[in-house]
Amino acid sequence: DAMVIQNPRYQVTQFGKPVTLSCSQTLNHNVMYWYQQKSSQAPKLLFHYYDKDFNNEADTPDNFQSRRPNTSFCFLDIRSPGLGDAAMYLCATSVERGARDEQYFGPGTRLTVT
Amino acid sequence: AQTVTQSQPEMSVQEAETVTLSCTYDTSESNYYLFWYKQPPSRQMILVIRQEAYKQQNATENRFSVNFQKAAKSFSLKISDSQLGDTAMYFCAFITNTGANSKLTFGKGITLSVRP
Repeated sequence: DAMVIQNPRYQVTQFGKPVTLSCSQTLNHNVMYWYQQKSSQAPKLLFHYYDKDFNNEADTPDNFQSRRPNTSFCFLDIRSPGLGDAAMYLCATSVERGARDEQYFGPGTRLTVT
Repeated sequence: AQTVTQSQPEMSVQEAETVTLSCTYDTSESNYYLFWYKQPPSRQMILVIRQEAYKQQNATENRFSVNFQKAAKSFSLKISDSQLGDTAMYFCAFITNTGANSKLTFGKGITLSVRP
């Protein structure tokens, strides 16, 4: 089945130690999104790629970076994780940007910072 | 600013009963879409139902229906004949159709528990 896959499902990292989260899709969608979801809060968009075009949200900290080496894969890099970065990170995809196209979500990676 | 408010953090319903989840939103845009997403425990978020703001008719998907009141900026979800598999967190969200700046704005979510 076509889907959005996130690895790993659970990630533990140390304070200040760089970490990379992975997302892949078999849907061949143009757009890939990264959301941060803290406990009991709404998902918050960090950035998205439209094809190779990177779009950062204005309030996303510089500590968060992303790479999309090809259509299928997108990575979230946290350069120096702080305790406040502990959260669920959701990857999503859509055919196009805009209201018409549904976003398909992966299962998320739960990041713990020790 | 665009906001979504889900004022009820938790709800519980007996299996086979009907439950309504509330949502209000605020936007100055006239063209937008509204969504309810379901996030089961440890599973991915999936779209439950979608409503286009310019359509007056309320959307329906099997046991799920919405009550869309555009003037009041209200978008509630009704789940009929609740099933144990409906236990999940439900997020109300909307998106405006503004191309590159278009993004989903989510509410904080409501945890729904269906009791056997």
